Amino acid sequence: DAGVIQSPRHEVTEMGQEVTLRCKPISGHNSLFWYRQTMMRGLELLIYFNNNVPIDDSGMPEDRFSAKMPNASFSTLKIQPSEPRDSAVYFCASGLREGNTEAFFGQGTRLTVV
Amino acid sequence: AQTVTQSQPEMSVQEAETVTLSCTYDTSESDYYLFWYKQPPSRQMILVIRQEAYKQQNATENRFSVNFQKAAKSFSLKISDSQLGDAAMYFCAYRTYYSGNTPLVFGKGTRLSVIA
Repeated sequence: DAGVIQSPRHEVTEMGQEVTLRCKPISGHNSLFWYRQTMMRGLELLIYFNNNVPIDDSGMPEDRFSAKMPNASFSTLKIQPSEPRDSAVYFCASGLREGNTEAFFGQGTRLTVV
Repeated sequence: AQTVTQSQPEMSVQEAETVTLSCTYDTSESDYYLFWYKQPPSRQMILVIRQEAYKQQNATENRFSVNFQKAAKSFSLKISDSQLGDAAMYFCAYRTYYSGNTPLVFGKGTRLSVIA
C-alpha cells in the first residue's frame, strides 16, 4: 500500500486566496483525521471523520476552514480566504474504525501564506 | 479532556548511549492507549511503540521500550544504543479506548539530538 497520500507537499499562496489540501487515505481505512502542526501549538486536531461522516469539527479554527469527505478514498481541507497565521504543516491521517490501531500519517502539506 | 505533557523540549544523547524521554498525561479514563511517534526532518510521522493501558507489561520494540506507570500517569520512552538515525522529534500521544476510532491527543514533543 502506498500509505496516506497528501497533495500538494508544499503550497505558497497569497493572503486572501483559497487553498485546498487533499488527502487519500489508506484503502480500507474508515477513519480520517486532519491535524495542523505549528511550533507554538504543536499538533492540533482540526476535524475527523468516521465512515465519511464528520464526527468532531470543534478544532476547526474558524469559518474560513472547511473539510469534506465525499467518499472513502478522498478528503479535502479548504481555507478561504487564507491568512498568514494559517501557515503551518497540515497532516492527514487514517485508521481503522474497528480495532485499536494507530493512526497512519501522510507526509503533510507545508502551507505558507504570504 | 485528556492532556499530554512532555516536559523536555530538547534532549541530547551520545551515540550508543541510552536516553529516556518523559511523558505524563491526564485522564479520568481507565482504558486507553498510549503511543510514541517519531518525526524525523522528513516530516513523516512514524509509530515507534504502542502500549495498551490494560496491559501491565511494558511494551518493547527492539531498542525502544517504555516504562508505563498507570497510577502515576507516566509513559516514558527509553532508547538504548542510540543511533544517529534516532535524531528526531518524538511525540507522546494518547487515545481513548473506544469501539470506534478516536483521534490521538499529542504532547508538544521532545527534540532528540544524537551526538557522534
